Amino acid sequence: QVQLQQSGPGLVKPSQTLSLTCAISGDSVSSNSAVWNWIRQSPSRGLEWLGRTYYRTRWYDDYATSVKGRISINPDTANNQFSLHLNSVTPEDTAVYYCTRGGITSAYTEWGQGTLVTVSS
Amino acid sequence: DIQMTQSPSTLSASVGDRVTITCRASQNIFTWLAWYQQKPGKAPKVLIYKASGLESGVPSRFSGSGSGTEFTLTISSLQPDDFATYYCQQYNSYSTFGQGTKLEI
Repeated sequence: QVQLQQSGPGLVKPSQTLSLTCAISGDSVSSNSAVWNWIRQSPSRGLEWLGRTYYRTRWYDDYATSVKGRISINPDTANNQFSLHLNSVTPEDTAVYYCTRGGITSAYTEWGQGTLVTVSS
Repeated sequence: DIQMTQSPSTLSASVGDRVTITCRASQNIFTWLAWYQQKPGKAPKVLIYKASGLESGVPSRFSGSGSGTEFTLTISSLQPDDFATYYCQQYNSYSTFGQGTKLEI
């Protein structure tokens, strides 16, 4: 049974970097079939896919147009986890952030517990 | 980017009713569509994958259909536990979610 456990601060100041980590149990971040995603949810933007990382003989990452240039998603094979870094945040980045496990051709079957991140001074 | 449009935004129904939610994609996504149920304070839970596949453990009163750009989620006989918000998601090209349908009594 795959489980995802999120960690990271719930409050970030404007212009700083939002960083969250998703620890994986029951699967490997280097799996050749899984894709590891970050999603966020806010009343104004709904559910928004932010990006993903996955391994298929090499590492790949893809990002949403809305956050490209501000985002990086990084695998950590030593600790079997992956992280989200979103820089230059504004109050519009306030949301509940989720990590998820899916596939290139499969739905998101596992979700982290969610982390409410508030951007405020 | 592929846009997903759900209708209706809100749906009022009663226990035992049959309800249908529609999702329209801005371009052909074949059958790369999932449906999720979300309850307050919880992460979404997948109900349907690949447009019509029933996720393990999901009651058979939930069904999905469609292909291309038009999709539906049907609940054949509403139960009290089904009152929640439902989202469609395309995963043909990266991922996009619909804006949600709140199913209320």
